Amino acid sequence: NAGVTQTPKFRVLKTGQSMTLLCAQDMNHEYMYWYRQDPGMGLRLIHYSVGEGTTAKGEVPDGYNVSRLKKQNFLLGLESAAPSQTSVYFCASSTNSGANVLTFGAGSRLTVL
Amino acid sequence: AQSVTQPDIHITVSEGASLELRCNYSYGATPYLFWYVQSPGQGLQLLLKYFSGDTLVQGIKGFEAEFKRSQSSFNLRKPSVHWSDAAEYFCAVGYQAGTALIFGKGTTLSVSS
Repeated sequence: NAGVTQTPKFRVLKTGQSMTLLCAQDMNHEYMYWYRQDPGMGLRLIHYSVGEGTTAKGEVPDGYNVSRLKKQNFLLGLESAAPSQTSVYFCASSTNSGANVLTFGAGSRLTVL
Repeated sequence: AQSVTQPDIHITVSEGASLELRCNYSYGATPYLFWYVQSPGQGLQLLLKYFSGDTLVQGIKGFEAEFKRSQSSFNLRKPSVHWSDAAEYFCAVGYQAGTALIFGKGTTLSVSS
């Protein structure tokens, strides 16, 4: 009954370092999403996936890459972290119905120094 | 471009008083409409959703929302606020399967005793 699990929950990086955030869901959902949340900005979509092996850009994709090699996992990568990428990152998933009810993970707080 | 507007950044309500949080969306067609709540340090939890039919929808924790097509609005209401309702509230809009939700910037609710 885990739902959507994000790892790690916290991470501090130096500018230029790389890292990967992992999102795993156990609900057999087709769709998965990565959002970032910044104060006063709400949630902004970074990338999303409508199925295994597919990804698409969202509103703020620059500086990020994603992969969906397995249906249950959606990875978000930062190749060369920048201070502007300091944020809280949320993963979400949904079924392939037209309703798009999202189930969210608890978030990953990333600080880039 | 499609957008969601939450005009109120921060609202303070006395415990026991009624609450209304505003949400407006910009799109001609009837979208799927959602309200999510985020407690400090937590992920987002679905409060309620509107897909079609009765324009007044009931959600969890005693919340309700009314869809008004003529005003492109989906305002969230609660007749009597409890201190535990203090959180950030997000309105979100979805338009079709396979696309991600668009979130408003959020309204922070404080509850005074």
